[in-house]
Amino acid sequence: DGGITQSPKYLFRKEGQNVTLSCEQNLNHDAMYWYRQDPGQGLRLIYYSQIVNDFQKGDIAEGYSVSREKKESFPLTVTSAQKNPTAFYLCASSIAFKEPYGYTFGSGTRLTVV
Amino acid sequence: AQSVTQLGSHVSVSEGALVLLRCNYSSSVPPYLFWYVQYPNQGLQLLLKYTSAATLVKGINDFEAEFKKSETSFHLTKPSAHMSDAAEYFCAVSTGRRALTFGSGTRLQVQP
Repeated sequence: DGGITQSPKYLFRKEGQNVTLSCEQNLNHDAMYWYRQDPGQGLRLIYYSQIVNDFQKGDIAEGYSVSREKKESFPLTVTSAQKNPTAFYLCASSIAFKEPYGYTFGSGTRLTVV
Repeated sequence: AQSVTQLGSHVSVSEGALVLLRCNYSSSVPPYLFWYVQYPNQGLQLLLKYTSAATLVKGINDFEAEFKKSETSFHLTKPSAHMSDAAEYFCAVSTGRRALTFGSGTRLQVQP
């Protein structure tokens, strides 16, 4: 079945450490997205990519970085510059950036700072 | 610009009662509107979407929503709540120029 796979499901980060969250899709979608979810704040856009080798900052990009070297993959790195990284991270994809059919979401990665 | 406001962070209904979750949007151009549902520690699932066709949109599990341009609203309803409907619901808007913008969510509790 086609879908989006996020790994790991749970991740623990020490202070000052960079960590990378994986997102892989086999839906042949061009566009991919990363959102951060905090209680009571809904989802906030971190980065998005419309096509391979291209990506743009979202509303809360500081302290994060991404790459899009393959159509199927859109990993997110949470750097030590992100001062409050504890959150639920959701990856999504869509057929194209401007299409109106909605996004398909992965099951999320819960990141905790220890 | 695009934004979404969900009125009520928590809604509680009895099993079998009407479900009404409120969503108002702001958009400088005709919007695409969506409702998603999220169960604990899971991703979001699409319930229904409005893409400028019929103003009354039917989704999965008997949910429906009506686009009202004059009220800039897209409220979600279900005639009879089921225990399995307990979850968090998100309204989202897109103008096709930006990625989806989500509301802050409404947690639905269903009482037996």
